[in-house]
Amino acid sequence: AQKVTQAQTEISVVEKEDVTLDCVYETRDTTYYLFWYKQPPSGELVFLIRRNSFDEQNEISGRYSWNFQKSTSSFNFTITASQVVDSAVYFCALYEETSGSRLTFGEGTQLTVNP
Amino acid sequence: DAEITQSPRHKITETGRQVTLACHQTWNHNNMFWYRQDLGHGLRLIHYSYGVQDTNKGEVSDGYSVSRSNTEDLPLTLESAASSQTSVYFCASSESEDPRRTQYFGPGTRLTVL
Repeated sequence: AQKVTQAQTEISVVEKEDVTLDCVYETRDTTYYLFWYKQPPSGELVFLIRRNSFDEQNEISGRYSWNFQKSTSSFNFTITASQVVDSAVYFCALYEETSGSRLTFGEGTQLTVNP
Repeated sequence: DAEITQSPRHKITETGRQVTLACHQTWNHNNMFWYRQDLGHGLRLIHYSYGVQDTNKGEVSDGYSVSRSNTEDLPLTLESAASSQTSVYFCASSESEDPRRTQYFGPGTRLTVL
């Protein structure tokens, strides 16, 4: 079974639209961490955010916001007023205490923001 | 500025050849990781290391090996390259033995095995 599911393979929006990228995870650990990474067309992986399982507060950073809900095992990522530069593949990842040092990644969501 | 570099950035090789991909970080991080990225699979862990002389197998380690002789470098070797190993390879590092520390990634190496 997939531990990290990003059901949206591709999303296409027009600039200035808001867009939400979904991430659903599966774990039996009580202590775990969730991450979002961005991979722009240049290919590098850029860390965006880390959230631990004991902190369900939503977080906002500029146009980015994250909604962590343990009840639904989701850690969704919203971009407000999207811009062309937001076009990238976005990965959600899970770290579990019992996994050694492994980060388990979702398959990624390709976001295209059209002008 | 501290950074993590990979070389080469692109490599084409033939089936059966030995290939080594380099990873070098200047953050003095203890933890280093190798992943491969393939369509439909996201990133999968190949090998990782918590420090000098320490190496561990990840999810997809068959056909790959690593060695850690110093803090800065974790080279990845494909002993006998196969077409199934055509992929983009990413090296990452993190600050301490606690892997809750964020992993920072190199720019990637695109490997093609013909």
